[in-house]
Amino acid sequence: DTGVSQDPRHKITKRGQNVTFRCDPISEHNRLYWYRQTLGQGPEFLTYFQNEAQLEKSRLLSDRFSAERPKGSFSTLEIQRTEQGDSAMYLCASSTQGRETQYFGPGTRLLVL
Amino acid sequence: AQSVTQLDSQVPVFEEAPVELRCNYSSSVSVYLFWYVQYPNQGLQLLLKYLSGSTLVKGINGFEAEFNKSQTSFHLRKPSVHISDTAEYFCAVSETNQGGKLIFGQGTELSVKP
Repeated sequence: DTGVSQDPRHKITKRGQNVTFRCDPISEHNRLYWYRQTLGQGPEFLTYFQNEAQLEKSRLLSDRFSAERPKGSFSTLEIQRTEQGDSAMYLCASSTQGRETQYFGPGTRLLVL
Repeated sequence: AQSVTQLDSQVPVFEEAPVELRCNYSSSVSVYLFWYVQYPNQGLQLLLKYLSGSTLVKGINGFEAEFNKSQTSFHLRKPSVHISDTAEYFCAVSETNQGGKLIFGQGTELSVKP
C-alpha cells in the first residue's frame, strides 16, 4: 500500500493559463474523489468517480474544470483559464465501494498570480 | 442538505490537559461520521469513524469520539494531549448509500502549549 499520490505538489501559474493535476489512488480502490480546500476552510467536494465513470459533480465545478479517470486508475483534474479565485489546495482521495473510509493524498497547492 | 458545524475555530490547551473538540451536523438521512487531522502542508489523516454499532468509537493517537443521535453531535476527546497533537482537526459526514462524498466542517485548530 503506497498511499494516494498527487503531482505536482505545488503549482504557480499566471491568470488565464491552463493547469492539470494528477492523482494516483491506492491501487485496489475503485472510487476516487477530488476536493478543494481554501485557506482556513474545510475541504469542499468537487467530484467523484467509480471506476472510470464520473458519478457526481458539485455545482462548485464550473465549466472551466474538467476531471477524467480514463482507465479507472489515475485521474486528472484540469482547470482552464485559471482565475485568482482558483488558488487553493486540491486534494484527492480514494476508497473502495462499500468501505467508507477515504484515504487522502498530500494535495496540490495551486497559486494563481 | 447536509451541513457540519465545528463550534470552535481555535482551541488552545496546555500539554497533558484534556481536550474536547465539538462537532454538530444536520442531515435528514442516516450518516456516517468521521474525524480527520491535518498537519501543516499535508493531506488529511483519518483519526476515527462511526459507521454503526457502539456510539463510542476509539481512534488513533488516544482520541475517541461519541456519536449522539438525539443531539446530532460527534465530539472528539482526548484525556491528555501532547505537543505533537497540535494540528487542524476536521469533522465530516457522508450520507449512507450516496457515493461516500464527505461534507466537512470548517475545522478546529488545536494548539497545545507546554
